[in-house]
Amino acid sequence: NAGVTQTPKFRVLKTGQSMTLLCAQDMNHEYMYWYRQDPGMGLRLIHYSVGEGTTAKGEVPDGYNVSRLKKQNFLLGLESAAPSQTSVYFCASSYSFFRQGASEAFFGQGTRLTVV
Amino acid sequence: SQKIEQNSEALNIQEGKTATLTCNYTNYSPAYLQWYRQDPGRGPVFLLLIRENEKEKRKERLKVTFDTTLKQSLFHITASQPADSATYLCALLLSGGYNKLIFGAGTRLAVHP
Repeated sequence: NAGVTQTPKFRVLKTGQSMTLLCAQDMNHEYMYWYRQDPGMGLRLIHYSVGEGTTAKGEVPDGYNVSRLKKQNFLLGLESAAPSQTSVYFCASSYSFFRQGASEAFFGQGTRLTVV
Repeated sequence: SQKIEQNSEALNIQEGKTATLTCNYTNYSPAYLQWYRQDPGRGPVFLLLIRENEKEKRKERLKVTFDTTLKQSLFHITASQPADSATYLCALLLSGGYNKLIFGAGTRLAVHP
């Protein structure tokens, strides 16, 4: 199993450009999350999804959109990139935390995005 | 305001000693509390989970306690090794059907030979 795979691993964007980050998981997980990680600030939740076709806002959703058209994929879009969106982005997935025996979230390897 | 606090200063300890990391939270009602390890350039990796009705959990050299009255969790690594050096993140799964998994900023642990 590949687990959680993020594409791309690195990207440099110019201010105002758009892009989509792809997260794919092969564990049949219901939940998927997008986080950004900045120095000294830990992981901040951008958007998340508790099932195919559903999404919800996290702590820092502004400037981002998401879609979950297929259970295994969770896309994060930046419509008009800004330097403040320079960060490392992590995707995670898990079974429903309320499923019997469910426990952890599995993370991808991260996408390092620089907006110049 | 809601927040999760972990000691932002690095914890430096000697090999063989017990490392204790703290996670405090305010204005949250977590169903679960989790601890993750993160190495530089990598995604976090799950270590332990403790539920709101549990006081203590153990796994090999790791121990987690959870005090919902104090709104605090302590994470212990006994007989620490240099390989335990990493950043440790505390995470709350919020109850009430929100299904949000919220993280603290993490504490960096350095174990010296």
